[in-house]
Amino acid sequence: TQLLEQSPQFLSIQEGENLTVYCNSSSVFSSLQWYRQEPGEGPVLLVTVVTGGEVKKLKRLTFQFGDARKDSSLHITAAQPGDTGLYLCAGEDSNTGKLIFGQGTTLQVKP
Amino acid sequence: GAGVSQSPSNKVTEKGKDVELRCDPISGHTALYWYRQSLGQGLEFLIYFQGNSAPDKSGLPSDRFSAERTGGSVSTLTIQRTQQEDSAVYLCASSLKGLVGYTFGSGTRLTVV
Repeated sequence: TQLLEQSPQFLSIQEGENLTVYCNSSSVFSSLQWYRQEPGEGPVLLVTVVTGGEVKKLKRLTFQFGDARKDSSLHITAAQPGDTGLYLCAGEDSNTGKLIFGQGTTLQVKP
Repeated sequence: GAGVSQSPSNKVTEKGKDVELRCDPISGHTALYWYRQSLGQGLEFLIYFQGNSAPDKSGLPSDRFSAERTGGSVSTLTIQRTQQEDSAVYLCASSLKGLVGYTFGSGTRLTVV
């Protein structure tokens, strides 16, 4: 069974601080996706990383895919209250295309 | 449509009743997924439809749960004899094979009382 361990599960920080969320697995995925979800809404795709070692930047967010394509990280620089939400990583099974989700990281950025 | 549409957005039902949840995927998307999410938690895979292939039902928690997809488009998730532990948000997503990334609906919040 493929599992994705996401950490930390909850993070409360002050505006302006930096943070990193980790997503780890013993399985290899064909891609790893990061989603952000706000209350009452479905998750929204932020980024997809496909190549081992790949780094993608989205404004203050930096996403990295591990060399072995088993893990990923999300780093947010100078967090803002608007970054508050549930962040989910999801690995794509290379055979079926099915997405396996981590348990999520609830981020609260206080002004 | 422009996005994935789910109905109803909220459903309160009595324990033991059957419920049907509907998902209208993005037109042309060949893949459709159902997930379940408890409060503040990650997504639990339920079932996956891809084109004309047999659905992957490996995530359905019991035989009270079933889903169908008619004409390769609309999908219905049915829960029979609902239990309180079935209370959760049920999310539907669709995607186009060959392109990464799912588009999710806003979900149906099911409360079993």
